[in-house]
Amino acid sequence: GESVGLHLPTLSVQEGDNSIINCAYSNSASDYFIWYKQESGKGPQFIIDIRSNMDKRQGQRVTVLLNKTVKHLSLQIAATQPGDSAVYFCALAREGAQKLVFGQGTRLTINP
Amino acid sequence: SQTIHQWPATLVQPVGSPLSLECTVEGTSNPNLYWYRQAAGRGLQLLFYSVGIGQISSEVPQNLSASRPQDRQFILSSKKLLLSDSGFYLCAWSSGTGNQPQHFGDGTRLSIL
Repeated sequence: GESVGLHLPTLSVQEGDNSIINCAYSNSASDYFIWYKQESGKGPQFIIDIRSNMDKRQGQRVTVLLNKTVKHLSLQIAATQPGDSAVYFCALAREGAQKLVFGQGTRLTINP
Repeated sequence: SQTIHQWPATLVQPVGSPLSLECTVEGTSNPNLYWYRQAAGRGLQLLFYSVGIGQISSEVPQNLSASRPQDRQFILSSKKLLLSDSGFYLCAWSSGTGNQPQHFGDGTRLSIL
């Protein structure tokens, strides 16, 4: 099965700096990866996803990088803003699997 | 556009009482539906998922059950709540075709006294 781990449970960055949040996974059959943002008291909000046939995908101020060789996934947030403060979760699935496996989350704190 | 609704937002129940949490999705048909529980400061634990009306898969043995009486309605129930049932319950939906992101409601905070 899949398991997902995060490198750091908390991350503090200065406003305006770039943030990088990492995930490691164990199952090489995992081929669909998602990042979610969860603000206090709310449900997780979809940020960006990537499939295993890609190694990079960009959205608005966010980039997801996938390294299948070392089974590593990262989320980069450019020019971090106070509104980016939240817990960020990675999740993954295998092709055709109806279920996602979630990591434990990284709390991102923005320092003024 | 698609929307997902969960209610109530918060609920306080005594031990041994029944539970019914409801989730409905609008703007899509034949979605996959999911119930998760999230302990404080933790990740999401999948409780149940459904790929169609009346089709329920249970992920962990527990004091809860789920039902899908209509295509876009998913209900989480218990006959007798335990203290350990406290938590943040989240409903989610995804398209039924291939790998697609799951989209979450805003959850129900359940406290058992």
